[in-house]
Amino acid sequence: GAVVSQHPSRVICKSGTSVKIECRSLDFQATTMFWYRQFPKQSLMLMATSNEGSKATYEQGVEKDKFLINHASLTLSTLTVTSAHPEDSSFYICSAIRSPTYEQYFGPGTRLTVT
Amino acid sequence: KNEVEQSPQNLTAQEGEFITINCSYSVGISALHWLQQHPGGGIVSLFMLSSGKKKHGRLIATINIQEKHSSLHITASHPRDSAVYICAVRGTGNQFYFGTGTSLTVIP
Repeated sequence: GAVVSQHPSRVICKSGTSVKIECRSLDFQATTMFWYRQFPKQSLMLMATSNEGSKATYEQGVEKDKFLINHASLTLSTLTVTSAHPEDSSFYICSAIRSPTYEQYFGPGTRLTVT
Repeated sequence: KNEVEQSPQNLTAQEGEFITINCSYSVGISALHWLQQHPGGGIVSLFMLSSGKKKHGRLIATINIQEKHSSLHITASHPRDSAVYICAVRGTGNQFYFGTGTSLTVIP
């Protein structure tokens, strides 16, 4: 089956620093990837839609200057949390859409802790 | 109001029981997904369906487009089925809406 990887799986950083999270589709090309965050005991919250070769589309309330998304290739999207603060601590998950069936495959997630 | 509503929020069952999780939605959809999230956080897409019924092992998913309702059934439940089950719909504009999830615990 299709596999989506995320790196790193866990990261701890100091407040004010930036953190980059990578999402890769390993055996298929994904023109569309999604980025989610999830707080403890809550469901997924869609942050943005990442389209290869164009600017990401952010959901309402998500700061695009804080959460920078770059979909550099058909197999890689990156999320950079800039000037991280403790309230950015969360579980970040990406998913990749496989054409033409539009099946969605999820990465294993990245747990970010900002101290 | 959430575009996707799931019930129940929490469910505890004895091993072997038949389990049903319900999902109702209020938007026009292209497809509905049932997702499974284990305690470690990893998410697996169980089903994607736009009509009728799909079966995979002990799992069955049904959808009624007219009633905007879907159900996920687990037959002969097992403790390894313990997870959070999330209903998600892809709208006609390709946006995704997620339910709040159903936390299932199957007791041996």
